[in-house]
Amino acid sequence: EPEVTQTPSHQVTQMGQEVILRCVPISNHLYFYWYRQILGQKVEFLVSFYNNEISEKSEIFDDQFSVERPDGSNFTLKIRSTKLEDSAMYFCASSEALMGETQYFGPGTRLLVL
Amino acid sequence: SQQGEEDPQALSIQEGENATMNCSYKTSINNLQWYRQNSGRGLVHLILIRSNEREKHSGRLRVTLDTSKKSSSLLITASRAADTASYFCATDLAGNQFYFGTGTSLTVIP
Repeated sequence: EPEVTQTPSHQVTQMGQEVILRCVPISNHLYFYWYRQILGQKVEFLVSFYNNEISEKSEIFDDQFSVERPDGSNFTLKIRSTKLEDSAMYFCASSEALMGETQYFGPGTRLLVL
Repeated sequence: SQQGEEDPQALSIQEGENATMNCSYKTSINNLQWYRQNSGRGLVHLILIRSNEREKHSGRLRVTLDTSKKSSSLLITASRAADTASYFCATDLAGNQFYFGTGTSLTVIP
């Protein structure tokens, strides 16, 4: 069964460093998402992406975040200058269609900012 | 805010018993989805129920949706130890931004 994959599974970085989290969505899906989950808290929406542009973003997704689909398969989340509070599990998801279709989640990347 | 809130926060049952979790939300939705998350792992999609549906089944799962009460329930029948996980409801509005609840932590004791 097709699945969303994410790399790396774990990333440790120093505050102020840039990190890039990578995702390979399911191949025939057109919509891509990033969510984050701070330890012990809710899963929070960050951004959705369609047709090579951001379609929605939350207030969390400020100027230090960016997303890109650099090729036909990868979808990346870049955090330009990491802060301690960026430590969280980051989930990528994808869906076939837009309006309320099932989003399939990857296993997540656990980011720790020191 | 448009957020699902599950209750109970934690539920502990014996293997073979049924587990019922509830989700309430605040505003109108297009659909509601239930996800499972094993500790420290990703989210696994369980079932989607649309706003014009009242009940849906998938294996041992039964989901109901009451849009008048803005609530949904997830019933897991004949629970197994492997069902131990956190269960989240997620709701959407007009867009594709999902709002997740705080989750119900289910422990099934063998």
